[in-house]
Amino acid sequence: GENVEQHPSTLSVQEGDSAVIKCTYSDSASNYFPWYKQELGKRPQLIIDIRSNVGEKKDQRIAVTLNKTAKHFSLHITETQPEDSAVYFCAPSSSASKIIFGSGTRLSIRP
Amino acid sequence: EPEVTQTPSHQVTQMGQEVILRCVPISNHLYFYWYRQILGQKVEFLVSFYNNEISEKSEIFDDQFSVERPDGSNFTLKIRSTKLEDSAMYFCASREYQGNTIYFGEGSWLTVV
Repeated sequence: GENVEQHPSTLSVQEGDSAVIKCTYSDSASNYFPWYKQELGKRPQLIIDIRSNVGEKKDQRIAVTLNKTAKHFSLHITETQPEDSAVYFCAPSSSASKIIFGSGTRLSIRP
Repeated sequence: EPEVTQTPSHQVTQMGQEVILRCVPISNHLYFYWYRQILGQKVEFLVSFYNNEISEKSEIFDDQFSVERPDGSNFTLKIRSTKLEDSAMYFCASREYQGNTIYFGEGSWLTVV
């Protein structure tokens, strides 16, 4: 948690292509690494998460990879579809008390 | 499926007025949070609450903000004297003691005029 940065801030990909969003954090005690999706006008919702003892996790078209040494983790979306258009936030944390969200990545899927 | 519920969904208030936003967290959850999201911007942490007291708060959560758990189910955010820049979506969230996932309510959209 603490200092959390996301790149890129905006991403436009052709439908069917892959999208990758990276989250970099500063707190080396972080042990939980989720990604949230926020559709326009809606609440953020968890789409995938990973814990510090695992390097990669996959759920159908989405995956998260973690590099604890370098203090970053990434969201991978394959075979993108129009409904993947949203803002994506990472929120790495080391404690239950303070969960800081990244600045968000606006993903647009071009038909 | 249990959900975090928030009221009101939208409130318009005059600058300088007090506002109370209400939340009912998921019933077996023990950690509660308030976040703020100004239109088009990031989700900003305001405060977390556990065991009937504030656990952490951000720089945004100054003296004009307060939180309370007045009974066994509600969790409220009070803004004492609203300013124009308080206009935002306010999300309440909760999580289990052992779990990691935080669950958000649908938000309360506050407009200060």
